Amino acid sequence: GAGVSQSPSNKVTEKGKDVELRCDPISGHTALYWYRQSLGQGLEFLIYFQGNSAPDKSGLPSDRFSAERTGGSVSTLTIQRTQQEDSAVYLCASSVPGTGEQYFGPGTRLTVT
Amino acid sequence: GNSVTQMEGPVTLSEEAFLTINCTYTATGYPSLFWYVQYPGEGLQLLLKATKADDKGSNKGFEATYRKETTSFHLEKGSVQVSDSAVYFCALRNTGANSKLTFGKGITLSVRP
Repeated sequence: GAGVSQSPSNKVTEKGKDVELRCDPISGHTALYWYRQSLGQGLEFLIYFQGNSAPDKSGLPSDRFSAERTGGSVSTLTIQRTQQEDSAVYLCASSVPGTGEQYFGPGTRLTVT
Repeated sequence: GNSVTQMEGPVTLSEEAFLTINCTYTATGYPSLFWYVQYPGEGLQLLLKATKADDKGSNKGFEATYRKETTSFHLEKGSVQVSDSAVYFCALRNTGANSKLTFGKGITLSVRP
């Protein structure tokens, strides 16, 4: 079946611009996660959605970052006023709660120039 | 808080060599432990997991045993292949409301023919 999909696969933007990254989780997976993979920091948790519960935003690095999940499915991660340190690969994962197994998308490589 | 420490890399081996990649963790409670693999140009994939002490996870010839007494989850393979060249990440997941993964830094394995 279809896995987690993310778009765009690559995004180059100028410093100060806003960007939106999209994630389509596996159908039926109620849990959705965003992570960031960067050279210096490894893989970092950003935000977690579970069903209709309030999201856990504890990993968001600043208030320029926000995310939403519409209808319990597609999620969008928005970065406002991008900075060069935001350059990274942004990964989305989904899972069936309780299984512990997260399935990752291919990621969006964001480059801020 | 939770943390995962992996041995420094990169690691270069000849085909058919024995592989050990060390991973130790710090966590409260009883986490589940995972190894994820990222092949060149591909997304993160779950390689194996163990959910309680003394469990052994195995897949594709790789094994790792959950050692609570040494807080370790070392990855081993008896005979590596060129196709095993990838980046390997150790991770833990605590039980609780947010089942986010905490990752180690990752280690790059290159296998020479």
